This record gives sequence, structure tokens and C-alpha cells, in this order.
Amino acid sequence: GAGVSQTPSNKVTEKGKYVELRCDPISGHTALYWYRQSLGQGPEFLIYFQGTGAADDSGLPNDRFFAVRPEGSVSTLKIQRTERGDSAVYLCASSLGWGTDTQYFGPGTRLTVL
Amino acid sequence: AQRVTQPEKLLSVFKGAPVELKCNYSYSGSPELFWYVQYSRQRLQLLLRHISRESIKGFTADLNKGETSFHLKKPFAQEEDSAMYYCALSEIGSGNTGKLIFGQGTTLQVKP
Repeated sequence: GAGVSQTPSNKVTEKGKYVELRCDPISGHTALYWYRQSLGQGPEFLIYFQGTGAADDSGLPNDRFFAVRPEGSVSTLKIQRTERGDSAVYLCASSLGWGTDTQYFGPGTRLTVL
Repeated sequence: AQRVTQPEKLLSVFKGAPVELKCNYSYSGSPELFWYVQYSRQRLQLLLRHISRESIKGFTADLNKGETSFHLKKPFAQEEDSAMYYCALSEIGSGNTGKLIFGQGTTLQVKP
């Protein structure tokens, strides 16, 4: 079946602009995670959704970052007033349940802030 | 603080040689440990997890709680093993969210 998909695959924006990154999880997966991967680093946790609610947003770096999952499926990561330091690959993962269920990753969105 | 350390950024071996990718962790609770792999131009995928005690593609990893390590091993490396490998941990127990804490990754290069 279809895996996790993310759009766009690449996004180039200018400093100060607003961006939205989309994640389509595997159908039926209730848990959804966002991670950020900077160059030369491993992925870093941003936020976790169980259903429609953000159960853990402890990884969001500041209030410019926000994510929603209104119907418990597709999720959107929103970044306001982008900064050059936001440049990274943003990864989405979904799992059937929560806890230690296997997470399946999307291909990522490469965000470049000029 | 929770932390996963992979001391080698690059490990280069010849085909047929043994491989050991090191992973050490710092965690106060009961962690579950994972190895994820990313082949060239592919997405990140789970290779194995300690709770399953499986051998995947000839790789094994043993959790050593005394040394807080979870090293990944393979007796005979193959060229198709060349990839980026990430060690990660997650908390076991009620209320855990499943969020993964990753190491910085080790690039394994298997030369012919």
C-alpha cells in the first residue's frame, strides 16, 4: 500500500515568509510525528499527534512553529516568519498506535530559507 | 538528559569484513533501542529493535544495560549495506508517546 507522503518535496522561501508543509500518513495510522533533520545531524523530535490532538509538542523550538491535524489524518506543519536557521529536512512519520509501534517515515520536505 | 551517541561519523570497511557500528545512550528510565537505516535516495526505515531480538539482513544488536550500549554488528559486510545508520531510543511504559531520540548517524561505506 501507499506509504507516508509529504508535500512539497522541496520548498525554497525567503526569510520572514510563512510556509506550510503537509504530511499524509498511512491510512488507519492514529499516531503522527514530525521531526526536523539539520545537515549532518540525526532527526530531532518536534511534535506528536494521537488522533486530532497534539499529545506532545515539547520539541517545537518556539512559537513560530505550529502544527495541526484537524481530522486525524493529514497534518500540516506551519512555520511563521521563517529564519535561515529553519533550513532543514522536515520528516513526518506515522504509526498504527502509539508508544513503541514501528514508525514509518515519509521522504521529507527540504526547506531552504534564503 | 536523554541522549544517543554514535561516536563514528564514517565507518569504511572492505566487503566481507566484520562491521560494528557503535551506539551509546544516556537515559534514566526504561528505553527501547532501535537501529534505523537510510539507503541512498530512500527514506528512513526501521532495521531492527532490541525488543524483537531479530536478525535483519544479517545484522544483530545486543542491548548492554551495564555499558548503556546497543552496538550494531554484522559478521560479513556486503556492498549493499552501504548506507547511513541511526541509533535511536524511545521510552517504554505507560504514557510514553513513542517519540524517538536519534543519534547523529554513522555512514557505513563498504568497499569492493
